[in-house]
Amino acid sequence: KNEVEQSPQNLTAQEGEFITINCSYSVGISALHWLQQHPGGGIVSLFMLSSGKKKHGRLIATINIQEKHSSLHITASHPRDSAVYICAALPFNTDKLIFGTGTRLQVFP
Amino acid sequence: DVKVTQSSRYLVKRTGEKVFLECVQDMDHENMFWYRQDPGLGLRLIYFSYDVKMKEKGDIPEGYSVSREKKERFSLILESASTNQTSMYLCASSFLAERTNEKLFFGSGTQLSVL
Repeated sequence: KNEVEQSPQNLTAQEGEFITINCSYSVGISALHWLQQHPGGGIVSLFMLSSGKKKHGRLIATINIQEKHSSLHITASHPRDSAVYICAALPFNTDKLIFGTGTRLQVFP
Repeated sequence: DVKVTQSSRYLVKRTGEKVFLECVQDMDHENMFWYRQDPGLGLRLIYFSYDVKMKEKGDIPEGYSVSREKKERFSLILESASTNQTSMYLCASSFLAERTNEKLFFGSGTQLSVL
């Protein structure tokens, strides 16, 4: 079992829908990152969370440390949100991120 | 804006060739990382560096080496390329070690094919 699990693996949505991507982890962490990877490979860091919630535009990330769970929400989704979304956990006492395998999101007009 | 530049977007090499992947960042970051990304496996850390001439093994260092002679440049070397090293290679950098929760900045990736 992977230490960082994402669900779903694939997600399709119609433009305007509210989207939730989930990330669960099994180790104690000091922070969790959400990354976005568009076709073509480049990765952009969206959020780094250690508690609570962060918002940037239509993106919202939340984390529940006790439940070892984080969610990424996209409100009013748009085709340009189509990408792979990756969560990565930073365990205590290590410098190495543990990555989930990603959620592939496709938003259709 | 932070820029992390990888020298090649696509690269095709033959088995046994020596391969250099170059990464340059322009934000004076101390830390630089090399990852490979394979379908179904996610990103895996190959090597990372906290300072010039310093390097530490990641999770899958076998078959790779690195060089960091200058702060802005981190090179990944495949001494003798093999077909199982066909992959997407991603470079990243940040100001502080991952443990201090700084954002990572990624390059656009190099898709390496070893024939």
